[in-house]
Amino acid sequence: DTVLTQSPALAVSPGERVTISCRASESVSTRMHWYQQKPGQQPKLLIYGASNLESGVPARFSGSGSGTDFTLTIDPVEANDTATYFCQQSWNDPYTFGAGTKLELK
Amino acid sequence: EVQLVESGGGLVQPGRSMKLSCAASGFTFSNYGMAWVRQAPTKGLEWVATISYDGSSTYYRDSVKGRFTISRDNAKSTLYLQMNSLRSEDTATYYCTRVNNPYWYFDFWGPGTMVTVSS
Repeated sequence: DTVLTQSPALAVSPGERVTISCRASESVSTRMHWYQQKPGQQPKLLIYGASNLESGVPARFSGSGSGTDFTLTIDPVEANDTATYFCQQSWNDPYTFGAGTKLELK
Repeated sequence: EVQLVESGGGLVQPGRSMKLSCAASGFTFSNYGMAWVRQAPTKGLEWVATISYDGSSTYYRDSVKGRFTISRDNAKSTLYLQMNSLRSEDTATYYCTRVNNPYWYFDFWGPGTMVTVSS
């Protein structure tokens, strides 16, 4: 299975820029997608196809990367961005998710 | 507005069966593939199964093959997951999701239904 590795946690101050990384154990082309999950809620799609912003998602969120290295950027971070962010690949079977990066605000 | 609402979860003994349902509304259900994704308590997300828009193709993760069956009723706009021979490791919140082609990502999620497998 394709393993997606994410940093477990980050802490930033409101107004700062934050980058969340996701590294794949093998190429996933640009079939990388990002989700936000707030406590007690279901995940919400933010970015699809590595860099495409889902409709209704603020332009503060952006994605980049291809192959094995991907990044989700939030600029500027707001207080309500506190959540866990998951990457997911759909290039290799089975589809897999990263373990998530928990973003905390200072 | 797209809505997905799961039902059917609860407490079940190991080895027993349970059937989950997902009622869909706000979009043309028969035009979309659908999937189940689960999340064990305090754990990450795990894809379980996918079904094509017309039900002709199904896909499963290895750990549930032969035990789980995904199906759909397009006339009722409802997705199902029949789970047999349940194990403690199947304990999780099960999310119904809509699959977006051709990238195969999950663009809408239901609030989830909790399944606890325990004696």
